[in-house]
Amino acid sequence: DGGITQSPKYLFRKEGQNVTLSCEQNLNHDAMYWYRQDPGQGLRLIYYSQIVNDFQKGDIAEGYSVSREKKESFPLTVTSAQKNPTAFYLCASSFRTGTNTEAFFGQGTRLTVV
Amino acid sequence: GQQVMQIPQYQHVQEGEDFTTYCNSSTTLSNIQWYKQRPGGHPVFLIQLVKSGEVKKQKRLTFQFGEAKKNSSLHITATQTTDVGTYFCAGPKGNQFYFGTGTSLTVIP
Repeated sequence: DGGITQSPKYLFRKEGQNVTLSCEQNLNHDAMYWYRQDPGQGLRLIYYSQIVNDFQKGDIAEGYSVSREKKESFPLTVTSAQKNPTAFYLCASSFRTGTNTEAFFGQGTRLTVV
Repeated sequence: GQQVMQIPQYQHVQEGEDFTTYCNSSTTLSNIQWYKQRPGGHPVFLIQLVKSGEVKKQKRLTFQFGEAKKNSSLHITATQTTDVGTYFCAGPKGNQFYFGTGTSLTVIP
């Protein structure tokens, strides 16, 4: 069953701790994205990757880090430098970046920092 | 920052009424996409518009791309409770997609 999988669905962490969110896809997509969604707001781009071993910052990359060592995987680390990390995080993939290709989203990870 | 604006932010309608959300860009878009996110869910692709003035229909949903390719609209005829959710437009910018702020639709039975 092809798709994009995020884990875990819910995550609780103490303030000051780094936490890594998993995102795996078996759609053979080159491009992968991380978005942050806050209540009542749209999707804001954190990082995106067009190809293995390459990634670019989005609008709100500060306090986050990513890696793209495998085509299938694009984990996001929320570091202690992120001042307001509690949010809903969405990972997406597409055949290519930019034009003429739809994005497939994972189920999301709801991160709560206490 | 974001270049795609959406209005209204929220819309409450009685079941059976029509609903429209508008998407506006400051720059010309090569294409525009629409997504729906159910409460507690993730965005799901609905459609893509590419041509100037293009109109596409999916049952009760009508999507339109403006002649100047700077704006788009989604119109739902005779809303149903299953239409509840947030509707996002998304436009490309370089190698990224910028999502609009979304319109949250509530349908009152």
